[in-house]
Amino acid sequence: SFVLTQPPSVSVAPGKTARITCEGSNIRSNSVHWYQQKPGQAPVVLIFFDSDRPSGTPERFSGSNSGHTATLTISRVEAGDEADYSCQVWDGSSDHVVFGGGTKLTVL
Amino acid sequence: QLQLQESGPGLVKPSQTLSLTCTVSGGSISRGGYYWNWIRQHPGKGLEWIGYIYYSGGTYYNPSLKSRVSMSVDTSKNQFSLKLSSVTAADTAVYYCASLVRGLLDSWGQGTLVSVSS
Repeated sequence: SFVLTQPPSVSVAPGKTARITCEGSNIRSNSVHWYQQKPGQAPVVLIFFDSDRPSGTPERFSGSNSGHTATLTISRVEAGDEADYSCQVWDGSSDHVVFGGGTKLTVL
Repeated sequence: QLQLQESGPGLVKPSQTLSLTCTVSGGSISRGGYYWNWIRQHPGKGLEWIGYIYYSGGTYYNPSLKSRVSMSVDTSKNQFSLKLSSVTAADTAVYYCASLVRGLLDSWGQGTLVSVSS
């Protein structure tokens, strides 16, 4: 079955750029979605179809997908960006939803 | 935008069956192209997909839970449900319901914590 691998944690100073990766075999052939989850809250769609932003997502958040790695990039990181970030794909070969393990972003 | 709300017991005894219901508002559960999902999150861990059901009753389950999972849908009440049998402490988690469209989980319930304990 399809496996998505994320780093457990990423740390970044305020104002800097954070990059969170999501690795999977030939992931480029799948659409990747990213969710942001703050403590005690449900996940929220942050980026969908690799790089599209819902209306509520700031432009500081962007996504890309190439080869075996999808990347969520957060520019000019703010304290309020501290959260868990999870990637997700639809595995069409098995008709299953697949999540990455999630990455905790810490703002130093 | 759909709204989803989970409901059910917050405490289940070991070996018993966990039962949750998700009520959908803001749209019909019978809308084509939408799949109705259950997802759980163990304390401090990542998201785990449990499975989904279509309004017609078709289902797909996570292979790791398939032997214990059953989902159903009630279109008259705009609800879908989850049953997880033979629960243990390892099934203690926050359970979410969510809608899936074109591979994207676009609307989520707030989640409900289910603890398994005697």
